[in-house]
Amino acid sequence: QKEVEQNSGPLSVPEGAIASLNCTYSDRGSQSFFWYRQYSGKSPELIMSIYSNGDKEDGRFTAQLNKASQYVSLLIRDSQPSDSATYLCAPSLYGNKLVFGAGTILRVKS
Amino acid sequence: DTEVTQTPKHLVMGMTNKKSLKCEQHMGHRAMYWYKQKAKKPPELMFVYSYEKLSINESVPSRFSPECPNSSLLNLHLHALQPEDSALYLCASSQVGGQGGYEQYFGPGTRLTVT
Repeated sequence: QKEVEQNSGPLSVPEGAIASLNCTYSDRGSQSFFWYRQYSGKSPELIMSIYSNGDKEDGRFTAQLNKASQYVSLLIRDSQPSDSATYLCAPSLYGNKLVFGAGTILRVKS
Repeated sequence: DTEVTQTPKHLVMGMTNKKSLKCEQHMGHRAMYWYKQKAKKPPELMFVYSYEKLSINESVPSRFSPECPNSSLLNLHLHALQPEDSALYLCASSQVGGQGGYEQYFGPGTRLTVT
């Protein structure tokens, strides 16, 4: 079993729709969870962090965490073509060590 | 604009060369990281420095040698690399402390090609 699992996609959504990205993790010791966006040929960009169960909203982005289910998700409202990228889920296993999922490719069609 | 800078942006080196990658952060962070990323794969952690001391080495071959001269600078010295070492090398930084882990901020990366 992989430590962090994401659907590789591509996930295709029309412009203006909600994109839902999911991630499961295996280590129950994970306490911090991060979502990164990576455009082709660029470095990862932090877009959301979440530390406790529930929802966290920042602009068009909402992160959801359920530690009991070992599940974290990212919702992108009013999706734009500029949101087309690979989204990486990264729980923090201990200390400052991140383990990245393989990423989900998102394509927003105009 | 990123507050983590990396030089050079691109590097081509032969298998007998010695080169260095440089990273600098201006965020006041005390943890710095080197990651390696191959095409269509997620970043893989190589090294972690915390308070200028090496705290994690993910069993990286000795042809990669990290150095942290001060809290703002991180180097990766390269020697006798193999073509399969060609990748995007990413530097990141974060705060230190607690068990939960802090947000890591990445530099733009160095695209390394080994010929």
